[in-house]
Amino acid sequence: DADVTQTPRNRITKTGKRIMLECSQTKGHDRMYWYRQDPGLGLRLIYYSFDVKDINKGEISDGYSVSRQAQAKFSLSLESAIPNQTALYFCATSDFPRGADTQYFGPGTRLTVL
Amino acid sequence: QQQVKQSPQSLIVQKGGISIINCAYENTAFDYFPWYQQFPGKGPALLIAIRPDVSEKKEGRFTISFNKSAKQFSLHIMDSQPGDSATYFCAASIGSSNTGKLIFGQGTTLQVKP
Repeated sequence: DADVTQTPRNRITKTGKRIMLECSQTKGHDRMYWYRQDPGLGLRLIYYSFDVKDINKGEISDGYSVSRQAQAKFSLSLESAIPNQTALYFCATSDFPRGADTQYFGPGTRLTVL
Repeated sequence: QQQVKQSPQSLIVQKGGISIINCAYENTAFDYFPWYQQFPGKGPALLIAIRPDVSEKKEGRFTISFNKSAKQFSLHIMDSQPGDSATYFCAASIGSSNTGKLIFGQGTTLQVKP
């Protein structure tokens, strides 16, 4: 069983629609992250959370919001999707600083905004 | 502002050859430098990492070379194999900040020809 799962794996939506991407983990890690991947730009951090009550903006948070429903669940929302939010989105978890700095990534969600 | 610059964007190597991917960083506070490997349809996974107290770290066919004065680090893949074909990301973080945030390079797509 995958330790970090993301749903949906693929999503096509229209401009202006609200969409939620979900992430669940069974690793027991407190820290969770949302990234987007674009060709030529690498991975950029959108939001990160140290625990249910501690959520922080990353380098590209505009147009996104998040919710940490439980230690194991971290959702990313696009309130009003726009075409330049078309990207591959990854959730990641980490046991840092209790454990190593390693981040464990989910399989990704490919989002297309028409 | 890209704090970690990675090159080349793409690389083609013959089986058995050496693959070299380079990264340069700007922030001298960075103290943790991992490399992540991503296969198509999968999330990135930690491959190897180094801290600036050593100039080289080797794990099997994979070696990180680190040059603190030049603010550069590189990944060398010896005896490259078709199974090494993937996208590679360098990254950097500031461990002392306690955030665990990673700043990723732009990525390099490696193709190893049989």
